[in-house]
Amino acid sequence: SDELTQPPSVSVSPGQTARITCSGDALPRHYAYWYQQKPGQAPVLVIYKDNERPSGIPERFSGSSSGTTVTLTISGVQAEDEADYHCQSADSSGTRVFGRGTKLTVL
Amino acid sequence: QVQLVQSGAEVKKPGASVKVSCKASGHSFTDYDFSWVRQATGQGLEWMGWMNSYSGNTGYAQKFQGRVTITWDTSISTAYMELDTLTSDDTAVYYCARGLGFGQLGFDLWGQGTLVTVSS
Repeated sequence: SDELTQPPSVSVSPGQTARITCSGDALPRHYAYWYQQKPGQAPVLVIYKDNERPSGIPERFSGSSSGTTVTLTISGVQAEDEADYHCQSADSSGTRVFGRGTKLTVL
Repeated sequence: QVQLVQSGAEVKKPGASVKVSCKASGHSFTDYDFSWVRQATGQGLEWMGWMNSYSGNTGYAQKFQGRVTITWDTSISTAYMELDTLTSDDTAVYYCARGLGFGQLGFDLWGQGTLVTVSS
């Protein structure tokens, strides 16, 4: 499938580790990117090229890749991390595509 | 300040067209590609198309082929996205986004978004 599949929601308590997955058949051939989006705001890039972190993004955000699945990991989750997280990559034709997003709830 | 500033909210009737602008400042417009991404209320992000003013290239998602046109004016560092034959399904926030460059797929800078409402 050319789609990117994310879980609709993930819940975690403060201080715990959140893992958000994104699956797609084309992921072994294309890098993945992750965005954080808070209500009423534009997305913000938090991970690029599977596991690189832009300047200004806290070290608790990390990314990994294994086969057709990429994972965004947030270690020591804080209340401010509550947001929607979107993965992005390309489909089999190289066209940019997004997952449907995952709502992270900090309990 | 490095930023993308988009035009204001629009209200359109079904069947009409809308044209949204995105002005880049604080960086060289021709050094990057720019994409348009939309988001309906409560939904995910949807990539629509891209442009590169240096190469003159554009590309569109298959879903929007024939209905969307991306243009630009390099002299004022502004990109435009025009969407035709609007329906209520086109009601969404439309974002412009700057590509990371060097052949990368991701975006490192986003506009503030433009709400387009299609209603009779």
